[in-house]
Amino acid sequence: QVQLQESGPGLVKPSETLSLTCSVSGASVSQYYWSWIRQTPGKGLEWIGHVYASGSTNYNPSLKRRLTISLDMSKNHLSLRLSSVTAADTAVYYCANSFGGLDAFHVWGPGTMVTVSS
Amino acid sequence: DIQMTQSPSSVSASVGDRVTMTCRASQGISSWLAWYQQKPGKAPKLLMSAASNLESGVPARFTGSGSGTEFTLTISSLQPEDFATYYCQQANGFPPTFGGGTKVEI
Repeated sequence: QVQLQESGPGLVKPSETLSLTCSVSGASVSQYYWSWIRQTPGKGLEWIGHVYASGSTNYNPSLKRRLTISLDMSKNHLSLRLSSVTAADTAVYYCANSFGGLDAFHVWGPGTMVTVSS
Repeated sequence: DIQMTQSPSSVSASVGDRVTMTCRASQGISSWLAWYQQKPGKAPKLLMSAASNLESGVPARFTGSGSGTEFTLTISSLQPEDFATYYCQQANGFPPTFGGGTKVEI
C-alpha cells in the first residue's frame, strides 16, 4: 500500500527557506495528486498546495507567493519549499495523496514538526 | 475560502454511547465532504468521503450524512479506540478547507 514519509530540518531560522521532502513508497508519484498540509494548534489543519504528475500545481492563495511544490520522478518523492518563513509557519507538516485535484486526502505521512526560531 | 464550522468543539461520552457531531459549510458544497479521525501525535486518518462513503476497513458504526451546508458524523456505539478528534474537510472549492475539529473524550 501507499506509504509516505516526510523529512527535513526540524528548525528553521526566520526569513530563511523551509525545505521538506516526502518520500513515496508503494506507488509512483506519476499517479495521484500529492498535497502538503500543515497543522498548528491555533489555525488547525491548513492545505498548503498540491502537485500532479504533469508537474502542474495549485497553491493556497495565502501562501502562493512564498511556495514551491515539485515532484522528482527519479527519486519518487515530492518537495516543499516555503520562503521567508516566520514563527507563524511553525507547524506539523504532512504530505498526503488524493485521487483528484479536489478530493479527500486518502493516505497521509506521519508528519514532521518544523519550528521557526532564531 | 469556504469556512467549515464543527460543533460541538468537544463532547464527553462513555463506551457504548451514541455520539453525533455536526459540520457546517459557509456555502453549499453538495456532498463534497470528508471526515477524518486524528489521535494524539498521529496523522489524520480518512474515515469517509463524499459525505457518507466509508473507507475500506472503517467500522460500520461510523455513519455520515448530509448535503449542501450541513453534515453529521455519527458513531453508533462508541468504542475505546474511538476517543479522538474528528475533522471535516470540504472538497468543493479551492482551497480545500478543514473544520476546527470535535474532540471526543471520556
